[in-house]
Amino acid sequence: RKEVEQDPGPFNVPEGATVAFNCTYSNSASQSFFWYRQDCRKEPKLLMSVYSSGNEDGRFTAQLNRASQYISLLIRDSKLSDSATYLCVVNPRNQGGKLIFGQGTELSVKP
Amino acid sequence: NAGVTQTPKFQVLKTGQSMTLQCAQDMNHNSMYWYRQDPGMGLRLIYYSASEGTTDKGEVPNGYNVSRLNKREFSLRLESAAPSQTSVYFCASSEIVTDTQYFGPGTRLTVL
Repeated sequence: RKEVEQDPGPFNVPEGATVAFNCTYSNSASQSFFWYRQDCRKEPKLLMSVYSSGNEDGRFTAQLNRASQYISLLIRDSKLSDSATYLCVVNPRNQGGKLIFGQGTELSVKP
Repeated sequence: NAGVTQTPKFQVLKTGQSMTLQCAQDMNHNSMYWYRQDPGMGLRLIYYSASEGTTDKGEVPNGYNVSRLNKREFSLRLESAAPSQTSVYFCASSEIVTDTQYFGPGTRLTVL
């Protein structure tokens, strides 16, 4: 089993749609969780950290369920500019500060 | 602040050639990392340096060496390049408090 698994893509949605990405992680000792965004042929960039209580940043909402070892990202009112690959990232804490990256889910928002 | 910078941006090598990828950060971060990214494989950690003077192997260290020259700079060396090392290489640095990693723009390496 992979340490971090994400929904397979690609997700093709129309502008204005709501889309949700799911991610599961295998290490129950994991302490920090993130969503990164990667545009084609560019470097990954932090989209948002994920907190236990859930957190929202504009149209983006992240949720964490520690009991199920599950992380989600919800994007409301999708824009063309949201088209990218979204990476689920976990810090297992017992591995010297290294982050574990999921393979990513590709999102394509169409007019 | 420039953040994390990498040189070169593109490189083509012949099998057996050597080269060093350079990375520097100006955010005073202690930890630095080298990843490779291949289609369908996601980001894989090659080596990392938790602090100046220390380096450790990641998931795919074979064929690579690293040097943490000082707090700012972390270089990756390919001693004898192989076609399997064709990839996009990203350097990153992180702050201890939030664990957030900041990435450089990447080096696109092709080994013929």
